[in-house]
Amino acid sequence: NAGVTQTPKFRVLKTGQSMTLLCAQDMNHEYMYWYRQDPGMGLRLIHYSVGEGTTAKGEVPDGYNVSRLKKQNFLLGLESAAPSQTSVYFCASSPWEEQFFGPGTRLTVL
Amino acid sequence: DQQVKQNSPSLSVQEGRISILNCDYTNSMFDYFLWYKKYPAEGPTFLISISSIKDKNEDGRFTVFLNKSAKHLSLHIVPSQPGDSAVYFCAATLDNNDMRFGAGTRLTVKP
Repeated sequence: NAGVTQTPKFRVLKTGQSMTLLCAQDMNHEYMYWYRQDPGMGLRLIHYSVGEGTTAKGEVPDGYNVSRLKKQNFLLGLESAAPSQTSVYFCASSPWEEQFFGPGTRLTVL
Repeated sequence: DQQVKQNSPSLSVQEGRISILNCDYTNSMFDYFLWYKKYPAEGPTFLISISSIKDKNEDGRFTVFLNKSAKHLSLHIVPSQPGDSAVYFCAATLDNNDMRFGAGTRLTVKP
């Protein structure tokens, strides 16, 4: 049981480049989430999904898109990366209230 | 607008003593509260939670207290152990789709 995994672990982008972060969970959870963590800010919800084929905006959705084509996967896309998107990104999944987090992806945008 | 606040960025306690981590929130509609623990280079892990219909929940060395009138919750760790050294995040949710986190408190337990 791998739990929640995230790919890649680290990435450096140049301003304007695009990339996709992959989150996978093997716990058959309905709910999945993408957060970003910045110093002094805690975790902030970017987008979430309540089931396969559904997505919704969270607290800070601008500049990001998501897709949940399969129940076990939740993709986070940056179409045109900006330095303000330098952060640590965490994916989580949940059967209801308790969320299980992945190890994070550290993204730097130059 | 930070709806969940942890005003102490750090806390240091001696091994065996009590650690008390505090959290305040502004939205009276929050109905479920959680504490997460985070080690460096890892994702947060769930520690303990409490529903708004309760004022206390206990799990081993960890107890969470909720004071709804003051919009305040606290996490007590007794006795504190060096392995408890981590960043602790308080979180609150209206439903499972919108969880708000505090900025975290770094706990250091000295041997």
